Amino acid sequence: GAVVSQHPSWVICKSGTSVKIECRSLDFQATTMFWYRQFPKQSLMLMATSNEGSKATYEQGVEKDKFLINHASLTLSTLTVTSAHPEDSSFYICSARVVRNEQFFGPGTRLTVL
Amino acid sequence: AQSVTQPDIHITVSEGASLELRCNYSYGATPYLFWYVQSPGQGLQLLLKYFSGDTLVQGIKGFEAEFKRSQSSFNLRKPSVHWSDAAEYFCAVGSNQAGTALIFGKGTTLSVSS
Repeated sequence: GAVVSQHPSWVICKSGTSVKIECRSLDFQATTMFWYRQFPKQSLMLMATSNEGSKATYEQGVEKDKFLINHASLTLSTLTVTSAHPEDSSFYICSARVVRNEQFFGPGTRLTVL
Repeated sequence: AQSVTQPDIHITVSEGASLELRCNYSYGATPYLFWYVQSPGQGLQLLLKYFSGDTLVQGIKGFEAEFKRSQSSFNLRKPSVHWSDAAEYFCAVGSNQAGTALIFGKGTTLSVSS
């Protein structure tokens, strides 16, 4: 099946700094990628839909100025958490849509903000 | 409203016993249904999916699921559970429309006792 990678797999940063997470589709092109956030023991919550060459669509309650999404190519979407705070600590997972809305998920990025 | 309900938060099954994880959905369009498994600290792995056709679908690791439109259900089953099946299981629903994300249930934690 299609492979989606994320980098880094985990990151620890200081409060107030920015962190960039990359999501790549390795063997296919993805015009649409999704970013999810998962708190411990909870389900995945959609943050935003990333479309290649256009602005991302954010879900209600997600600050677009804090979570910057860039989908500059058909194989790469990035999520930048700006001015990170401890409450942003979470597991961030991206997915890329293949046909019939089947989505392949990246392995996730564990963000810890101190 | 579109939603996925997994009624069981936590299930414990003896190794070798059968398993059924429940999933009910509410979706306006023709649903595409998925089951994913997540091990601690890991990303999501697709177990199986239903788009159309035979309502009993086979997946990896010996799992199967049955789509029942009249009950809006897509329950996951396995005839004999192995200790390695202990994980978090998520049911998800999506559509065939481009750019739409999956909606996830809250997940069911499966523990396997010896």
